[in-house]
Amino acid sequence: DQQVKQNSPSLSVQEGRISILNCDYTNSMFDYFLWYKKYPAEGPTFLISISSIKDKNEDGRFTVFLNKSAKHLSLHIVPSQPGDSAVYFCAAVKTSYDKVIFGPGTSLSVIP
Amino acid sequence: ETGVTQSPTHLIKTRGQQVTLRCSSQSGHNTVSWYQQALGQGPQFIFQYYREEENGRGNFPPRFSGLQFPNYSSELNVNALELDDSALYLCASSTRLAGAAGELFFGEGSRLTVL
Repeated sequence: DQQVKQNSPSLSVQEGRISILNCDYTNSMFDYFLWYKKYPAEGPTFLISISSIKDKNEDGRFTVFLNKSAKHLSLHIVPSQPGDSAVYFCAAVKTSYDKVIFGPGTSLSVIP
Repeated sequence: ETGVTQSPTHLIKTRGQQVTLRCSSQSGHNTVSWYQQALGQGPQFIFQYYREEENGRGNFPPRFSGLQFPNYSSELNVNALELDDSALYLCASSTRLAGAAGELFFGEGSRLTVL
């Protein structure tokens, strides 16, 4: 039972344009939603998060939107840069569960 | 401030053998979690340790076991290795509070191949 889903395995975007990565979840009890970024031969690194009581969180070029009624969140990267090329994992956590649940990832390629 | 370090980075074992993977947590972190990442998938939670005790476990059999030491470093042990255990094993450390919000600091991982 996959509680966090990322239905697009890959995405290609031109440098300078917007990248939109999508994520769906099934458990309405999650408290936080997060995005992690992973380069080859490195561990995932935390990028940005959002509390379940908010609908938007912004950090520089990165914005996460949460639509609780649709059980959907998205990560917007504006403008996209070649260094953003990586695998992006959507993740969710319920604080009392003590485990972070990750989606399968979306591989983003930003083309110069 | 040193980050999360894992050893070994790569190893090859044969089916039925046992393996121990090691992790040093980031300075100031008292919680360690272990994840398994199979090819093309996201990290899957194995278990978490806090103050030297297991504090949550994912859907993994008992042959996956672990330890946390007083300095908060940790080991993951896997007995009776199976071919499907071939994966990247990731260690993540956090403070208790940040970990509860999902903010983990990962090491580079140990790539295990079982033949």
